Amino acid sequence: KNQVEQSPQSLIILEGKNCTLQCNYTVSPFSNLRWYKQDTGRGPVSLTIMTFSENTKSNGRYTATLDADTKQSSLHITASQLSDSASYICVVSAMGGGNKLTFGTGTQLKVEL
Amino acid sequence: ETGVTQTPRHLVMGMTNKKSLKCEQHLGHNAMYWYKQSAKKPLELMFVYSLEERVENNSVPSRFSPECPNSSHLFLHLHTLQPEDSALYLCASSRDRGIYEQYFGPGTRLTVT
Repeated sequence: KNQVEQSPQSLIILEGKNCTLQCNYTVSPFSNLRWYKQDTGRGPVSLTIMTFSENTKSNGRYTATLDADTKQSSLHITASQLSDSASYICVVSAMGGGNKLTFGTGTQLKVEL
Repeated sequence: ETGVTQTPRHLVMGMTNKKSLKCEQHLGHNAMYWYKQSAKKPLELMFVYSLEERVENNSVPSRFSPECPNSSHLFLHLHTLQPEDSALYLCASSRDRGIYEQYFGPGTRLTVT
């Protein structure tokens, strides 16, 4: 069964600090992995998308890594800001069958002063 | 804004009511999706439309009835819902089915009393 597990479930950090969120998946055959940011009461917004051959991708202060051998990904946030407070969702796509997406439950990040 | 709008943003309805959720995309996409997001659970795909044809129905109860009159609009008709149907309902669109990125609307927060 295709699954995506994220850790930690929730995280509180001080403004200006860095943090790393983890994603482990069992989706096969792998097509791509995406990280989404979802603000409270809003829909998810894509941060990065990585295919099998990519092992790192940046979007401003967000850097995602992918290890397709160990089926792990991480999202590193540098110099956090209050506006980074949100849920971060890891989504993995399987090849074929319309590229079905498997969603993680998300990591709830809170950035405090 | 992602180019996908949803109305209403909030809806409270009784179990005997009939209501509809509306989604509109201004991106020229061919595929549209309905998702359900419950607290502490991954997003659940409900329906997929491609070129106005329903191509996927993930065992959703018949009290949820989708309609796609054209490639820009998607509706979710609701009737005789249960309290456990209370959730955030998200609409998304993508250029086509498959590997293309999905753009999400802000969601409709539904409460069934």
